[in-house]
Amino acid sequence: GAVVSQHPSWVICKSGTSVKIECRSLDFQATTMFWYRQFPKQSLMLMATSNEGSKATYEQGVEKDKFLINHASLTLSTLTVTSAHPEDSSFYICSAPLARSYNEQFFGPGTRLTVL
Amino acid sequence: GEDVEQSLFLSVREGDSSVINCTYTDSSSTYLYWYKQEPGAGLQLLTYIFSNMDMKQDQRLTVLLNKKDKHLSLRIADTQTGDSAIYFCAESPAYSGAGSYQLTFGKGTKLSVIP
Repeated sequence: GAVVSQHPSWVICKSGTSVKIECRSLDFQATTMFWYRQFPKQSLMLMATSNEGSKATYEQGVEKDKFLINHASLTLSTLTVTSAHPEDSSFYICSAPLARSYNEQFFGPGTRLTVL
Repeated sequence: GEDVEQSLFLSVREGDSSVINCTYTDSSSTYLYWYKQEPGAGLQLLTYIFSNMDMKQDQRLTVLLNKKDKHLSLRIADTQTGDSAIYFCAESPAYSGAGSYQLTFGKGTKLSVIP
């Protein structure tokens, strides 16, 4: 199957700093990528849909100025958590379908963010 | 809005069959999925079923869909310790043409396999 990578795997930062998480499709081009957030023992909550070459679409309740998404190329989407606070600590996972109309999504391994 | 419900825990003995259940509310659900998540890792797609199917089997995995009751189950035959993980049920509606498929996930069922 297709491979999606994320970097870093985990990050610890101080409150007030910004953290960038990368999501890459390694062997296919992804015009669309999804960003999810997962709290401990909780389900995945869709945060936003990242579209190559255009603005991301954010789900209700997700602050676009807090979670900046840039889909600069067909293989890379980045999520920047700006001015991170402890409540932003979570597991962030990205996914990508092989094509916009393809129902199967391939997930990255996730990034564990801890804000002190 | 859409809702997907699962029981949170299941414990089985090694070698037995595991059955993980899921209910969903969105009648327009077209694809129903089972994902596996091991500790600290991302999600691995195990299998999915199209809504016009009743059953799908893939080696040790059997998916049953009761569309009338909006009930989905995953049966794992001859459960092994390596099957210990969290299993997520997810659904997506038909492709609208306006964007990609979006998944709605349940909270996950933690399967513990006792040696």
